[in-house]
Amino acid sequence: EPEVTQTPSHQVTQMGQEVILRCVPISNHLYFYWYRQILGQKVEFLVSFYNNEISEKSEIFDDQFSVERPDGSNFTLKIRSTKLEDSAMYFCASSRGTVGYTFGSGTRLTVV
Amino acid sequence: AQSVSQHNHHVILSEAASLELGCNYSYGGTVNLFWYVQYPGQHLQLLLKYFSGDPLVKGIKGFEAEFIKSKFSFNLRKPSVQWSDTAEYFCAVNYGGSQGNLIFGKGTKLSVKP
Repeated sequence: EPEVTQTPSHQVTQMGQEVILRCVPISNHLYFYWYRQILGQKVEFLVSFYNNEISEKSEIFDDQFSVERPDGSNFTLKIRSTKLEDSAMYFCASSRGTVGYTFGSGTRLTVV
Repeated sequence: AQSVSQHNHHVILSEAASLELGCNYSYGGTVNLFWYVQYPGQHLQLLLKYFSGDPLVKGIKGFEAEFIKSKFSFNLRKPSVQWSDTAEYFCAVNYGGSQGNLIFGKGTKLSVKP
């Protein structure tokens, strides 16, 4: 069964540093998403991406965040200057249509 | 604001007990409804989904859910749980026209005692 692959599985970074979380969506999927889950809290939508541009973003997705699909296979989330409160599990997802997702296994980001 | 409520934070059951996890969502017109499961250390996996038609939806691993429009509910059920069902369960809603984005409930942790 096709999978969404995320790397790394765990990243530790110092506050103020830039991080890039990587995702390889399923190859024939057209819609890409990032969600995050702060420990003990619910999964929250960050951003959706379609046709090489952001289609929707939440209020969490401020100027510190950006997404890119640099080479037609990878889908990245960049956090420019990490804060302690960015510590969370970040999930990438992709779908062929507008609903019906496949989630990746997540990247646990720890900001120290 | 659109929201999803899961009222049970942690449910503890013995094997073979029946399970019902509640999920309510705020009104928002047309909705698509999902239940996801997250086993310890693993990613979110789709258990079942409702888009339209028969409000009783059957999913994988013996789970089912019933969409009751008048109650804005989509409760998850399983007649007889197993130890391997120990996991966290998330209800999620896509409100029609929202580009496919999901709003998740806070999750219910299920612990099944052998």
